[in-house]
Amino acid sequence: EDQVTQSPEALRLQEGESSSLNCSYTVSGLRGLFWYRQDPGKGPEFLFTLYSAGEEKEKERLKATLTKKESFLHITAPKPEDSATYLCAVQFILTGGGNKLTFGTGTQLKVEL
Amino acid sequence: EAGVAQSPRYKIIEKRQSVAFWCNPISGHATLYWYQQILGQGPKLLIQFQNNGVVDDSQLPKDRFSAERLKGVDSTLKIQPAKLEDSAVYLCASSKDPGQSSYEQYFGPGTRLTVT
Repeated sequence: EDQVTQSPEALRLQEGESSSLNCSYTVSGLRGLFWYRQDPGKGPEFLFTLYSAGEEKEKERLKATLTKKESFLHITAPKPEDSATYLCAVQFILTGGGNKLTFGTGTQLKVEL
Repeated sequence: EAGVAQSPRYKIIEKRQSVAFWCNPISGHATLYWYQQILGQGPKLLIQFQNNGVVDDSQLPKDRFSAERLKGVDSTLKIQPAKLEDSAVYLCASSKDPGQSSYEQYFGPGTRLTVT
């Protein structure tokens, strides 16, 4: 069965304290891996798509990397405004055609002053 | 560019009542999705439309949930009758043709449903 596991479930950092979030997956026919940010009371906001092992993408203080079995979201020198839930999702091909995203349960990040 | 619109934002109903949610996707997006997000979990896909047709509804509880997308634009999701376990946020998302390289899904703000 296709699975997406994120760790840790929750993470508390001091401002400026860099860290990484993990997303591991067991999916056959992977087409892409997505990272989203979700603020309370809002829908997920797209951050990155990664398609192949070794690929990296950056946006401000965030950097996403991908291997054959997992992805990391590195947060460098975080600020309080980076506090949110970060969701990982894997895209795979449906048997009858089309694509599907399966989401992990997310990592709730809190950055304190 | 306007984002995905959803209404209502909040809804409280009693169990066994019915409820409907509306979604207007980003203009030009062929694919529309309905997700259910229970507190503390990631979104779970309920149904996926490409234009007017259903691509995947394998996780839609069809005895109580129904969805339609008329004219390939707006969509409604209905629950009848609602159960307590249906309490969740219902998210609508849209994307361009998934056959293309760009497959990012853009989400609306969601409808928070509370069933009492």
